Amino acid sequence: KQEVTQIPAALSVPEGENLVLNCSFTDSAIYNLQWFRQDPGKGLTSLLLIQSSQREQTSGRLNASLDKSSGRSTLYIAASQPGDSATYLCAVPFSGSARQLTFGSGTQLTVLP
Amino acid sequence: DAGVIQSPRHEVTEMGQEVTLRCKPISGHDYLFWYRQTMMRGLELLIYFNNNVPIDDSGMPEDRFSAKMPNASFSTLKIQPSEPRDSAVYFCASSLDPRETQYFGPGTRLLVL
Repeated sequence: KQEVTQIPAALSVPEGENLVLNCSFTDSAIYNLQWFRQDPGKGLTSLLLIQSSQREQTSGRLNASLDKSSGRSTLYIAASQPGDSATYLCAVPFSGSARQLTFGSGTQLTVLP
Repeated sequence: DAGVIQSPRHEVTEMGQEVTLRCKPISGHDYLFWYRQTMMRGLELLIYFNNNVPIDDSGMPEDRFSAKMPNASFSTLKIQPSEPRDSAVYFCASSLDPRETQYFGPGTRLLVL
């Protein structure tokens, strides 16, 4: 059974700092890994999807990396802004299935002005 | 496209009552997923459909829960009878391909008194 862990559970940083969020998973036989953002009281918004054949994906100030062999992914946020404050979740498919996602418990990020 | 649409956005009901949650996926998406999010258990997949057919309902907690997808543009999740422990946020998501990203609706916040 796939298990996904996210560290830290919460993070508070001053505006402008670069930061890294971590995600680890137990089964490396994955098709892809996704990073989502969830604002309080809202649904999830997909940020980045990394296919298993890729090592990283970039979107604006966000960069996600994937190391299947070690079962790890990182989300790097450059020059953080107060608007980045949200909960960030990573998700990977269940073992043996590309359709069903297992979510981590998320990292709650607060960027202080 | 308007994205995944869910209704109602909020539902407050009394224990024992029937609750019906509704979802309209993004047009053309062949996969539809129902998730439940709680503080204790995080995001959990309840059931998913492919081309209107339920594929895996192993996440449905009890027989009190049922889901249908009568056509490609509509799905329901029903709880009968509802219990206080069913209080959670229920999300619907859809995707075009199991290896691509899932798009989430805004969720239905259910409170069972």
